[in-house]
Amino acid sequence: SAVISQKPSRDICQRGTSLTIQCQVDSQVTMMFWYRQQPGQSLTLIATANQGSEATYESGFVIDKFPISRPNLTFSTLTVSNMSPEDSSIYLCSVEDRSRNYGYTFGSGTRLTVV
Amino acid sequence: AQRVTQPEKLLSVFKGAPVELKCNYSYSGSPELFWYVQYSRQRLQLLLRHISRESIKGFTADLNKGETSFHLKKPFAQEEDSAMYYCALAALGSGGSYIPTFGRGTSLIVHP
Repeated sequence: SAVISQKPSRDICQRGTSLTIQCQVDSQVTMMFWYRQQPGQSLTLIATANQGSEATYESGFVIDKFPISRPNLTFSTLTVSNMSPEDSSIYLCSVEDRSRNYGYTFGSGTRLTVV
Repeated sequence: AQRVTQPEKLLSVFKGAPVELKCNYSYSGSPELFWYVQYSRQRLQLLLRHISRESIKGFTADLNKGETSFHLKKPFAQEEDSAMYYCALAALGSGGSYIPTFGRGTSLIVHP
């Protein structure tokens, strides 16, 4: 199955600043998913990123706040912009493992604290 | 829109007791269902998928389309099973790709 390297693993940021999270996959994948997981909550899908096209955002998430890049089939970044304490969360990237029948592989997550 | 419901936020059992973590789904198409597990300080990982009808670490899950359920079961719980368990559904999105949706998770605690 695919292996995902996600970084940073954690960061503490000042409000009003931005943080870019990177995910590198060891194989080429068509789709990458970005999730947010708040303490004690489930995973909430932020957006789906296909290589070479604009990311598709879920309801409640906008490109200005969470811009995503997908320059090739093995890499993607998610930026959390103009951060506020409400953005404190764990952010996860995920890829489809070979096909949807095989499930999804996740990065180790980025624990973001905004102060 | 698809929905995954895990009614129990917490399930606490003693070692050796049977375990059943409930999952119900709502989806008009043919579902692709999974169970994921997250052990303390580890990343989320796939436990099992309905299509393979496999048993992993003693856990099984049967898809019941009539009841729209995919409950996770183990006859004899072990302490190392203590973890967070998520039920997930991959459904066809508007863009023609399958998009996973997760339930809120059930924390399983197995006492010695």
